[in-house]
Amino acid sequence: QVTLKESGPGILQPSQTLSLTCTFSGFSLSTYGMGVGWIRQPSGKGLEWLANIWWDDDKYYNPSLKNRLTISKDTSNNQAFLKITNVDTADTATYYCARALYYYDGTYYYDWFAYWGQGTLVTVSS
Amino acid sequence: DIQMTQSPSSMSASLGDRVTITCRASQDIGNYLSWFQQKPGKSPRRMIYGATNLAAGVPSRFSGSRSGSDYSLTISSLESEDMAIYYCLQSIQYLTFGSGTKLEIK
Repeated sequence: QVTLKESGPGILQPSQTLSLTCTFSGFSLSTYGMGVGWIRQPSGKGLEWLANIWWDDDKYYNPSLKNRLTISKDTSNNQAFLKITNVDTADTATYYCARALYYYDGTYYYDWFAYWGQGTLVTVSS
Repeated sequence: DIQMTQSPSSMSASLGDRVTITCRASQDIGNYLSWFQQKPGKSPRRMIYGATNLAAGVPSRFSGSRSGSDYSLTISSLESEDMAIYYCLQSIQYLTFGSGTKLEIK
């Protein structure tokens, strides 16, 4: 059974660095093909993909936010992390992590986000 | 950057209606298109992957199709539990979500 759960600071001030943790079970980020993505959603608005990290430590970032994002993982503790630097009120959102999968079935496929965490609300306010 | 233009932004339909939601890609994305359903206060749920493949556990009244650069999610016979916001996601070049379609029941 695959589960993911996000955790974060809840509230932080503008210009601070946001640190998020995704703790998961049912799969390992040391297993070939496994990945974790981060997605956020401001209240009442749409979904925005932020970053992905893969079993081989390959990392991909949303180009519009790349300079502010750092994704990493701790395979021993089944966790993935996202840091966002220099936050402002526009970063107020619910942040989700979700599992990604790269697999071979005659050809190579990506299986995006079949499993999601419950989300963690982050508010940036002075 | 690849843009996904999703339409309509909102719609209402009656129980039993056939409903279609569309995403148009600004560039060729092949079949690298997924559909997600999000109910109020809940995390998104993947419904369709590879443009036409039904995800496990998703009712068979949902289907995905492609016509050129237009991708559609169709509900063949609307049920009350289908009230939600639906998003498309392209995954050929980074990841881009559509802006969402809010589906309400008349």
